[in-house]
Amino acid sequence: DVKVTQSSRYLVKRTGEKVFLECVQDMDHENMFWYRQDPGLGLRLIYFSYDVKMKEKGDIPEGYSVSREKKERFSLILESASTNQTSMYLCASSLSGRKLFFGSGTQLSVL
Amino acid sequence: ELKVEQNPLFLSMQEGKNYTIYCNYSTTSDRLYWYRQDPGKSLESLFVLLSNGAVKQEGRLMASLDTKARLSTLHITAAVHDLSATYFCAVAKSYNTDKLIFGTGTRLQVFP
Repeated sequence: DVKVTQSSRYLVKRTGEKVFLECVQDMDHENMFWYRQDPGLGLRLIYFSYDVKMKEKGDIPEGYSVSREKKERFSLILESASTNQTSMYLCASSLSGRKLFFGSGTQLSVL
Repeated sequence: ELKVEQNPLFLSMQEGKNYTIYCNYSTTSDRLYWYRQDPGKSLESLFVLLSNGAVKQEGRLMASLDTKARLSTLHITAAVHDLSATYFCAVAKSYNTDKLIFGTGTRLQVFP
């Protein structure tokens, strides 16, 4: 069965901390994505990776960076967390041209 | 810039009734997806629509695509409580890309 695993379900961090969100997929998908979900705004793409070490900015990349050193793992990094980054973060993976499979999400609170 | 709009944003309907959720998008695209999200859960893929006139059905849900009108509909037939969830449409940002733009979602509540 297809699986996208996000390392934490809930995370509480303080303003200014460096935060790492980890995502692992077991489907050998070339594409991986990070979205954030906020009420009334739907899902917004932060970053997209189409291969190891390859990445593209999404629609809201400011304040975020990503790392993809291995095909199965895609990390989202908040260099200095701020309160406006409190959100639900969803990781997804896909084969090219096919549907996205989503992880269960990480609810991040920045205090 | 691609924009995806869904309406209604919230839908409360009685069991047994029919209703339609609309998804409009602003520029041409080659793929449209419908996803379902249950409260506190992640998104689950329902349908992928690839061409003009495409229609997909599963159970009480039927999705269609009109690429000329840049409109997709998700029709609910004889709603049941289990269909209560938030439904999202998502459109490929352009041809030959896997980046999707999501609508804001339609929260559906089905009551007895």
